[in-house]
Parts: sequence; structure tokens; C-alpha cells
Amino acid sequence: DAMVIQNPRYQVTQFGKPVTLSCSQTLNHNVMYWYQQKSSQAPKLLFHYYDKDFNNEADTPDNFQSRRPNTSFCFLDIRSPGLGDAAMYLCATSRDQGRSQPQHFGDGTRLSIL
Amino acid sequence: AQKITQTQPGMFVQEKEAVTLDCTYDTSDQSYGLFWYKQPSSGEMIFLIYQGSYDEQNATEGRYSLNFQKARKSANLVISASQLGDSAMYFCAMREAATGGGNKLTFGTGTQLKVEL
Repeated sequence: DAMVIQNPRYQVTQFGKPVTLSCSQTLNHNVMYWYQQKSSQAPKLLFHYYDKDFNNEADTPDNFQSRRPNTSFCFLDIRSPGLGDAAMYLCATSRDQGRSQPQHFGDGTRLSIL
Repeated sequence: AQKITQTQPGMFVQEKEAVTLDCTYDTSDQSYGLFWYKQPSSGEMIFLIYQGSYDEQNATEGRYSLNFQKARKSANLVISASQLGDSAMYFCAMREAATGGGNKLTFGTGTQLKVEL
């Protein structure tokens, strides 16, 4: 089945130690998104790629960066994680055309900071 | 700016009963889209149903239907014949065009639904 896959499901890192989360998709969608969801809160968009073009949300901290080496893969890099970055990170994809096109989400990566 | 409001932090329903989860929205756009997602405790976001602002009929997908009242700016999700597996967090979200292309979702704060025997 076509899907969005996030690895790992759970990630533990130390305060200040860089960490990378990965997302891959077999849907061949040209738009990929990264959301941050803190405990008991709604998901919040960090940034997205439209094809190779990177689009950052205005309030996304500089600590968060992303790479998309090809259509299928997208990475979220946190350069120096702080305790406040502990959250669920959700990757999503969509087709660009069609207003009714839903975003398809992966299972998420739950990040803990020690 | 768009805003989604879900006023029910938690809801209980008995198995096999119907339940309505409320969602109101605020937007100045004439063309917009509303989505409902389900998030079980395991974390994945599952797309349930979509309603476009120009759609004349309320959307339905199996046991899910959307009570769309445009003048009231509400898009309530109705789940019929509730099942234990429906216990989850439910998010209402609105689509807006994202800078640079694609669609951006603005989510409400969610409603935690628990289905009881």
C-alpha cells in the first residue's frame, strides 16, 4: 500500500545533541510537510516543501531545519534540541492540485529530550 | 487569519449510539475546505472526511457525515453507530493556501472521544 513512513517511531536524544527525523513516501506526492504536536495540543506546521522549494513558517525557530534530497524523502533536523522541543513530529504529504486533496500523515516520531 | 474552534475537550458516547463533535470556524475567504482527522493514542493522523465551501450537499463517508451549516460557520462531525475503536482524539482543520504552494492546515484543539460499552 502507498503510504507515508516515519522513522524512528520513538527517538530519545540529549539536550543540545543534534537529531534527525526521517520521512519517506510512496504516494509520489509533490508536497511534504512537517508538523510539531506537543502534548494535548493541535499539530502546528513548521515548514513544507513544494517540490524542491522550501517554505518556512514565520514562527518556526531557527533550530529547526529540513532537507528533501528527492521526491520520496524528507528530513527534519533539530540542531540543538531543548527541553521544549519534546513533542510528536508528524510528516504529511499531499498533491498540489485539487482543493479537496487531504494531507496524508505518517505515524509520527515521538521525540524525548534528556 | 483563519481560526478553528472545538469547544468540547471530551465527549462520552455509548457503543452503537450516534455522537456529534462540534466545530466552528472563522475565515474571510469565500473558498475554503474543512477536514476532519482522527488521532488514536498511537499518534497517527487518519483522514476521515472533507467538506468544500461550495459543496451543496453535506459530505458522507461510511459512518461519518458532516453537518455543514455555512451561515453559522459550523462543520460538525457526526459518527453513527459508535464502535469501541472510535475512541480517539478528533481534529477539525481548515485548509488555506500555503505560501509557495500546497495547502496548509489550521487545526482546532481537538475533542477526545471515548466510546463506552
